[in-house]
Amino acid sequence: DVKVTQSSRYLVKRTGEKVFLECVQDMDHENMFWYRQDPGLGLRLIYFSYDVKMKEKGDIPEGYSVSREKKERFSLILESASTNQTSMYLCASSLDANTEAFFGQGTRLTVV
Amino acid sequence: GENVEQHPSTLSVQEGDSAVIKCTYSDSASNYFPWYKQELGKRPQLIIDIRSNVGEKKDQRIAVTLNKTAKHFSLHITETQPEDSAVYFCAASIRGGATNKLIFGTGTLLAVQP
Repeated sequence: DVKVTQSSRYLVKRTGEKVFLECVQDMDHENMFWYRQDPGLGLRLIYFSYDVKMKEKGDIPEGYSVSREKKERFSLILESASTNQTSMYLCASSLDANTEAFFGQGTRLTVV
Repeated sequence: GENVEQHPSTLSVQEGDSAVIKCTYSDSASNYFPWYKQELGKRPQLIIDIRSNVGEKKDQRIAVTLNKTAKHFSLHITETQPEDSAVYFCAASIRGGATNKLIFGTGTLLAVQP
């Protein structure tokens, strides 16, 4: 079974804090993705990575950055958290762009 | 940018009826179209996918159709059961820089009434 694991299920952070969301996959997948899920807006792509140290912006990258130093780990960074970044964050991985993506359990982030 | 539109946003059917969810996409080069089901409090999971070299694919009570000319694809669930109640997302693999990216629709909340 593919396992995609996110480091936290729930997080509460203060406005202005730097926040790290970690994601690890155990299937040697090339592609990794970060989405945020908001009611009525579906899953919106923040950033994705197709190889170590390689990254591409998604549809809503503003206020976020990512890091992929090792193939199995993809980190999402909120440089200075704001209340409008309160959301459910989902990490996913896939072998390539045209195969099944496996999701982590999600991190519900609240910025106060 | 390139996007995926999904309709309806909510759908209520009686148990045993059929349900249809429709999606359109904008990138004519897209060639992979998965559907995901997300039950309450759980992660999205793939239920069926289709590639651009086929027009229809079926797996028991679930089928997906693809019309590449019109750039739309649909999910069909027959003989719906209460356990089909969930949010369903369509997605398309869309060109994004050096490689393709997976873009999702906004989701359909399906409620199957017993």
